[in-house]
Amino acid sequence: QQPVQSPQAVILREGEDAVINCSSSKALYSVHWYRQKHGEAPIFLMILLKGGEQKGHDKISASFNEKKQQSSLYLTASQLSYSGTYFCGTGAYNFNKFYFGSGTKLNVKP
Amino acid sequence: GAGVSQSPSNKVTEKGKDVELRCDPISGHTALYWYRQSLGQGLEFLIYFQGNSAPDKSGLPSDRFSAERTGGSVSTLTIQRTQQEDSAVYLCASTLDSGGRKTQYFGPGTRLLVL
Repeated sequence: QQPVQSPQAVILREGEDAVINCSSSKALYSVHWYRQKHGEAPIFLMILLKGGEQKGHDKISASFNEKKQQSSLYLTASQLSYSGTYFCGTGAYNFNKFYFGSGTKLNVKP
Repeated sequence: GAGVSQSPSNKVTEKGKDVELRCDPISGHTALYWYRQSLGQGLEFLIYFQGNSAPDKSGLPSDRFSAERTGGSVSTLTIQRTQQEDSAVYLCASTLDSGGRKTQYFGPGTRLLVL
């Protein structure tokens, strides 16, 4: 039930782009994306709902393909502040349970 | 309060002791989640509360774990007879409602170390 994330880790230079993928063997009703910096709590990035929507703010965007049960997070022109671990999350149909992927560790270097 | 608060922030206990972790959600948030995060790992779902409904406890890792939410607000997670493998950061998150359409706001976590 836990979504699968790939890659597990990414090292980038400032200004480079990255894509993080999240897939599930179960139907996805919505997909959440969070970023967690070391020693801190996860913070919200965005939620995508059914309907194949795409969202974005600043240089971070995401897509959701419910047919393929996949979501992707796109980070363009990465900044040092983007470093951290990115988690996708999805819930059971009534959201009485919520599962996060194992995370993708992103390291942006100068 | 302005955000989700958790207490204590750190807890060191001896194997076999009971511990109680507290979560104060954002005022007005009806849904509350508990997660466990072991060092360098992802977030493991433990339990979910929605309003005054009885929670589904199937995500709790063993019968030593229990949780309650009083008055639809403050929640406590209790671990009885702690074991070393219980050492982790315990995070709670609150959200405005259920249905997966709303942001989860996380507290700072309680770092539990069982010696």
